[in-house]
Amino acid sequence: TQLLEQSPQFLSIQEGENLTVYCNSSSVFSSLQWYRQEPGEGPVLLVTVVTGGEVKKLKRLTFQFGDARKDSSLHITAAQTGDTGLYLCAGATTSGTYKYIFGTGTRLKVLA
Amino acid sequence: DSGVTQTPKHLITATGQRVTLRCSPRSGDLSVYWYQQSLDQGLQFLIQYYNGEERAKGNILERFSAQQFPDLHSELNLSSLELGDSALYFCASSEGGVAGGYEQYFGPGTRLTVT
Repeated sequence: TQLLEQSPQFLSIQEGENLTVYCNSSSVFSSLQWYRQEPGEGPVLLVTVVTGGEVKKLKRLTFQFGDARKDSSLHITAAQTGDTGLYLCAGATTSGTYKYIFGTGTRLKVLA
Repeated sequence: DSGVTQTPKHLITATGQRVTLRCSPRSGDLSVYWYQQSLDQGLQFLIQYYNGEERAKGNILERFSAQQFPDLHSELNLSSLELGDSALYFCASSEGGVAGGYEQYFGPGTRLTVT
């Protein structure tokens, strides 16, 4: 079974702090996506990374795809209360039955 | 607003019953994906349809079935419902149907409660 492990599972920080969320697997993915989900709503796509080593920036968010395309990280600079939510990574794979695998999630709370 | 619509938003039913969840993809998207999200299992991929045909299967139970119609909307049918089927069910759509590089856009979900 292919798994995507995210760490940390929970994170509570003060506004203005920096943080990094990790997404790891033993499997290779053809692409990887990051989502943010608010309670009771559907996940909202933040970014897609495709190439090993790729780095993408979205304002204060920096996403990196590992060289071997097995892992990814999300770094948030100067966190704001509006960053609070559940962060999910999702890997796309063409091997086996599963095509899209979601990570276990990181629940972030940014305190004012 | 992602452009993906799902109905109903909430559904409460009894064990043993059958329900149908409906999804309309974003305009122009040919693929529809169904996911189940529960507190202890996270977001689980169920099934994908591309232009009316089944493209990929995940952890979908035999009691569950889905189809995509010529107008590209999709329905997820859940039968012989059990308490453990209570969850959020999400539909997502994407332009293409091949894994890798096609971005998925999620609907608001249907919250199913089985009593």
